[in-house]
Amino acid sequence: NAGVTQTPKFRVLKTGQSMTLLCAQDMNHEYMYWYRQDPGMGLRLIHYSVGEGTTAKGEVPDGYNVSRLKKQNFLLGLESAAPSQTSVYFCASSYLEKETQYFGPGTRLLVL
Amino acid sequence: SQQGEEDPQALSIQEGENATMNCSYKTSINNLQWYRQNSGRGLVHLILIRSNEREKHSGRLRVTLDTSKKSSSLLITASRAADTASYFCATVRVPNAGKSTFGDGTTLTVKP
Repeated sequence: NAGVTQTPKFRVLKTGQSMTLLCAQDMNHEYMYWYRQDPGMGLRLIHYSVGEGTTAKGEVPDGYNVSRLKKQNFLLGLESAAPSQTSVYFCASSYLEKETQYFGPGTRLLVL
Repeated sequence: SQQGEEDPQALSIQEGENATMNCSYKTSINNLQWYRQNSGRGLVHLILIRSNEREKHSGRLRVTLDTSKKSSSLLITASRAADTASYFCATVRVPNAGKSTFGDGTTLTVKP
């Protein structure tokens, strides 16, 4: 099992550009999450999904959109990137809502 | 609002010593989880303790939970240089889609 994978690993964007981050999991987990982590801080939840075709807002959803068309994939989109979105983005998944989350390796995003 | 808050923010010890870090939270929870993050990497799950449990062990790790004080502690015994990492607690409340709320973490440095 690959677990949770994220692509790309690193990306540089100019202000106003758009991009999509891809998260994939091969553990048949229902729940998937997108977090951002700023330097010296913990993770903040952006959006999450409780199953295929569902999405919901987390703590800091503004400026991001998500889609869960397939159970194994969870996409995070930035329509018009801003420097404030410079961060490390982590995807995670879990089997049940109370259980352990398995994290991907992260995507480092720099917005100039 | 931040649910889990770790204390201390930073901890530096010698190899072989024990390391204790604490987590406080504000509202009732279903479980509390501890994660480790090595520099530049994703989070790795260490241990989950449920609200009806008071103590759990896993190898050199010991976690306690005091729901009356809304606090948890993580003890790492006989620390090693490889334990150098940031440690985060995450609280889970259900129903809430199992969203975990992470603190800002404790940065542990173990000197050889």
